[in-house]
Amino acid sequence: GAGVSQSPSNKVTEKGKDVELRCDPISGHTALYWYRQSLGQGLEFLIYFQGNSAPDKSGLPSDRFSAERTGGSVSTLTIQRTQQEDSAVYLCASSLGTGWIGELFFGEGSRLTVL
Amino acid sequence: AQTVTQSQPEMSVQEAETVTLSCTYDTSENNYYLFWYKQPPSRQMILVIRQEAYKQQNATENRFSVNFQKAAKSFSLKISDSQLGDTAMYFCAFIYNNNDMRFGAGTRLTVKP
Repeated sequence: GAGVSQSPSNKVTEKGKDVELRCDPISGHTALYWYRQSLGQGLEFLIYFQGNSAPDKSGLPSDRFSAERTGGSVSTLTIQRTQQEDSAVYLCASSLGTGWIGELFFGEGSRLTVL
Repeated sequence: AQTVTQSQPEMSVQEAETVTLSCTYDTSENNYYLFWYKQPPSRQMILVIRQEAYKQQNATENRFSVNFQKAAKSFSLKISDSQLGDTAMYFCAFIYNNNDMRFGAGTRLTVKP
């Protein structure tokens, strides 16, 4: 597609349920990022992929969070046993990656609300 | 560790006036890039301007310009002739050779008519 696509746009779930958030990056972008943005706050780095591997997982807040990327394209962020503090907007971004340093292109985010 | 600090949580400016948003960063790297992103209420993050650390000349994009002070590790954004559409959250960001981009906490800018 023309831009980074994220789904769902909005997700409301009950505490304790698992959720999956999907990111489809710009075609040809090898680097993919997940950030979390709580209400009115800055961007908290979660994880970064170069191709299918994740050189930096340091931002994942707990072992309930995991992410994978397959085929160097689509990525899913999974949150198990969701808690109310997981409520936030989850932003995905992609860039050209290796050998190039520059602009990240962002999706519109997935707003997660845990009741 | 690379950190980015935006010390102004909120700012406001009258339409048509000029406003400057501050950003400082901490790094031991010599080659890196700095960015300002805008996030309007629609949530879409939009690149405003970028600066390569090896370039001494300050970047300019129409009404937006930066004051890059490498020795001081400062990277401020100046918005001239502010418009109502400039109302948004503004994030300063830093990236270096491992493609790991880090963001500041953001500054909420309100342009008043």
